[in-house]
Amino acid sequence: DAGVIQSPRHEVTEMGQEVTLRCKPISGHDYLFWYRQTMMRGLELLIYFNNNVPIDDSGMPEDRFSAKMPNASFSTLKIQPSEPRDSAVYFCATRQVEGSPLHFGNGTRLTVT
Amino acid sequence: ILNVEQSPQSLHVQEGDSTNFTCSFPSSNFYALHWYRWETAKSPEALFVMTLNGDEKKKGRISATLNTKEGYSYLYIKGSQPEDSATYLCADREPAGTALIFGKGTTLSVSS
Repeated sequence: DAGVIQSPRHEVTEMGQEVTLRCKPISGHDYLFWYRQTMMRGLELLIYFNNNVPIDDSGMPEDRFSAKMPNASFSTLKIQPSEPRDSAVYFCATRQVEGSPLHFGNGTRLTVT
Repeated sequence: ILNVEQSPQSLHVQEGDSTNFTCSFPSSNFYALHWYRWETAKSPEALFVMTLNGDEKKKGRISATLNTKEGYSYLYIKGSQPEDSATYLCADREPAGTALIFGKGTTLSVSS
């Protein structure tokens, strides 16, 4: 099992550009979560999916953020347009069932200049 | 909004010292308390999932206890080693759903 795979590992972009972060979950995991890590707020939940359906997106900071899960093998988090304050490490995590532990990807470090 | 608090924020101990830190969470509507270990340049890895009041779990030199009535969990490390240096996160399930809400972590530094 390759674990949760995120790409890219690092992304540097200019303010105003569109950014797309990608996540491939562990096969058979029904839940997928997007978290953002910053010094100020720690690990912050953005959105999560159950069986590809978005369940709670109340953590998405603004309309500039959107997430999709078109199938059980792939999810994207998009920021359009990006701003410097979006700079953070974005983690994708999955779990098999409710109550089981999360498995984290290696994260995408986003820098918006 | 669920509030998960961890203390202390950071801790520095000498090799061989035993140490512990605290996770506080709302005692009402409790479902499960998770502990994760996060080493620098890596991603968080699960240590324990605890569900029952009075639960105690152990993995090597690391153990955790749970008090759901008063809303706290302790993580203990016996005989700290430099490789224990990491940030230790706890997480509680959000009240209205099933996602985990994380505390800000306790960063442990163990010097030899």
